[in-house]
Amino acid sequence: DAGITQSPRHKVTETGTPVTLRCHQTENHRYMYWYRQDPGHGLRLIHYSYGVKDTDKGEVSDGYSVSRSKTEDFLLTLESATSSQTSVYFCAISETQNTEAFFGQGTRLTVV
Amino acid sequence: QKEVEQNSGPLSVPEGAIASLNCTYSDRGSQSFFWYRQYSGKSPELIMSIYSNGDKEDGRFTAQLNKASQYVSLLIRDSQPSDSATYLCAVNIWSTPLVFGKGTRLSVIA
Repeated sequence: DAGITQSPRHKVTETGTPVTLRCHQTENHRYMYWYRQDPGHGLRLIHYSYGVKDTDKGEVSDGYSVSRSKTEDFLLTLESATSSQTSVYFCAISETQNTEAFFGQGTRLTVV
Repeated sequence: QKEVEQNSGPLSVPEGAIASLNCTYSDRGSQSFFWYRQYSGKSPELIMSIYSNGDKEDGRFTAQLNKASQYVSLLIRDSQPSDSATYLCAVNIWSTPLVFGKGTRLSVIA
């Protein structure tokens, strides 16, 4: 299995609080991604990174920010959590933009 | 807009039968195609990748790609109850991350 660790695995937080999710990889892959998965919507891209300090927005980036200060770590921050951000968040990695992506275990986030 | 379409199912097949899952995509520039399996409460797991027209076989799985018709399919031979899961089709074109379909739920009945 690809070495991808997401933390925390589960989190309950209150509306309006900031939340940071962490993705750590041991594969030295250049590309890292954050997706969210919701019933009826499938997997949707939030943000991705193509190198240290190089990031770009995805389809559903509003309310989220990311940072990548090291190759192995990609952080997703919900600046002020809302109930609509209750979801399962997946981190993924890939060697190149056009090769297969491997997923972490996921983080189940509940905003109350 | 890049779109990847899958029938949501559920697709029910008897044990031992062939399960056929289909996916269509909108962007003719799409270059790479992937099938993932996702069990309930788990993360997506890559099962097949295909990059050129034709068939690619791996064990009980066969991926079929037809770029002219813009579809990619996954055949599962000798289906087993353990194949019951949601199957996600994913597509990308140069310089863009994967776009996923919403998935097809497969149920293999013993």
